[in-house]
Amino acid sequence: DVKVTQSSRYLVKRTGEKVFLECVQDMDHENMFWYRQDPGLGLRLIYFSYDVKMKEKGDIPEGYSVSREKKERFSLILESASTNQTSMYLCASSLPGLGVNEQFFGPGTRLTVL
Amino acid sequence: AQKVTQAQTEISVVEKEDVTLDCVYETRDTTYYLFWYKQPPSGELVFLIRRNSFDEQNEISGRYSWNFQKSTSSFNFTITASQVVDSAVYFCALSRIQAGTALIFGKGTTLSVSS
Repeated sequence: DVKVTQSSRYLVKRTGEKVFLECVQDMDHENMFWYRQDPGLGLRLIYFSYDVKMKEKGDIPEGYSVSREKKERFSLILESASTNQTSMYLCASSLPGLGVNEQFFGPGTRLTVL
Repeated sequence: AQKVTQAQTEISVVEKEDVTLDCVYETRDTTYYLFWYKQPPSGELVFLIRRNSFDEQNEISGRYSWNFQKSTSSFNFTITASQVVDSAVYFCALSRIQAGTALIFGKGTTLSVSS
């Protein structure tokens, strides 16, 4: 059974903290994605990666960075957390291809920044 | 510009009613893919269907059916004889045909099915 796992379901951090959100997939997928989901806004793409050590900015990369040192792991980093980064964060992975392959999603991490 | 519009924010129905979720998209690509995902209360998005722009055949899978019409840029989703387990947020998404890019999601429709 294919799987995308995220390190935490719920996380509470303080303003200014450095936050790491981890995502691991066991499907040997090349592509990995980070989205944030906010009420009324749907899912918005933060960053994606189509290979190890490769990364591309999505629609809302400001305030975030990513790391992909291994194929199965894609980390989202909030360098200095702010309250407007309180959100649900979703990781996904897919096979390579020009946007044609279904993405498999993790269960999400609900981050609260106080 | 590419865009997905799900005009219905919330829909409430009673069990056994049929319900249609609307999805309208905008793209200048001639080749593209459309998707529907379901997000139950547990939070994990579940893939339901993928349709490419060259295949306008409607699809039926059990109680679910999809109607793709290029002429109106719509990809609507119908649940027949709805059940409480269908309660979820449903997202329509459009592929971006550029190397390595992701999906563009609509804002989602929250479906509530009561018994």
